[in-house]
Amino acid sequence: DSGVTQTPKHLITATGQRVTLRCSPRSGDLSVYWYQQSLDQGLQFLIQYYNGEERAKGNILERFSAQQFPDLHSELNLSSLELGDSALYFCASSVTSGDLRGELFFGEGSRLTVL
Amino acid sequence: GQQLNQSPQSMFIQEGEDVSMNCTSSSIFNTWLWYKQDPGEGPVLLIALYKAGELTSNGRLTAQFGITRKDSFLNISASIPSDVGIYFCAGRGSIFDGGATNKLIFGTGTLLAVQP
Repeated sequence: DSGVTQTPKHLITATGQRVTLRCSPRSGDLSVYWYQQSLDQGLQFLIQYYNGEERAKGNILERFSAQQFPDLHSELNLSSLELGDSALYFCASSVTSGDLRGELFFGEGSRLTVL
Repeated sequence: GQQLNQSPQSMFIQEGEDVSMNCTSSSIFNTWLWYKQDPGEGPVLLIALYKAGELTSNGRLTAQFGITRKDSFLNISASIPSDVGIYFCAGRGSIFDGGATNKLIFGTGTLLAVQP
């Protein structure tokens, strides 16, 4: 158990819909990262928050957004869903901002299926 | 997105065999991490490396941070069926140290299958 909690574990929805994925980082970790893993791709970095502020952006679509709340939990919002958005979405956390040697600890992921 | 070159892409071995996989990058890194992902689970950190030339073991696993800072390898000795999974390398550079980015970049993964 990494200490990173993600909900829901599984989600099935229809195209055009909007979903919210939630992540609680390890106790004491200030940074939260979101990754997308599709069948034919590795782990694609989406976005990082550090202590409530956006720190780095990766290949995140405009239809997707995220935020980190004062209690450090984070939410990833996916809207106008398309079939290609079906993937495993991972949250990871680390103590530091990521510019230093902080290791990432991953949650178990949220599997999104868009029908 | 930017990724490391990880090889081999997949390996099918017999129980008891040793395994070796590696990652290479076009830019220098100051951190190398190795993760294992079981089916339907999140990646779990196996080994972290922070210095060029560093050799670190974790049970039957051994990883090294390449001298050039552009590569790393992971060895698994005497493989067992529970070693099955996808192994990812991940590297982080520093833009202040000649690297291209501060972000953690993941390799494409090596799928390991172990025949009992």
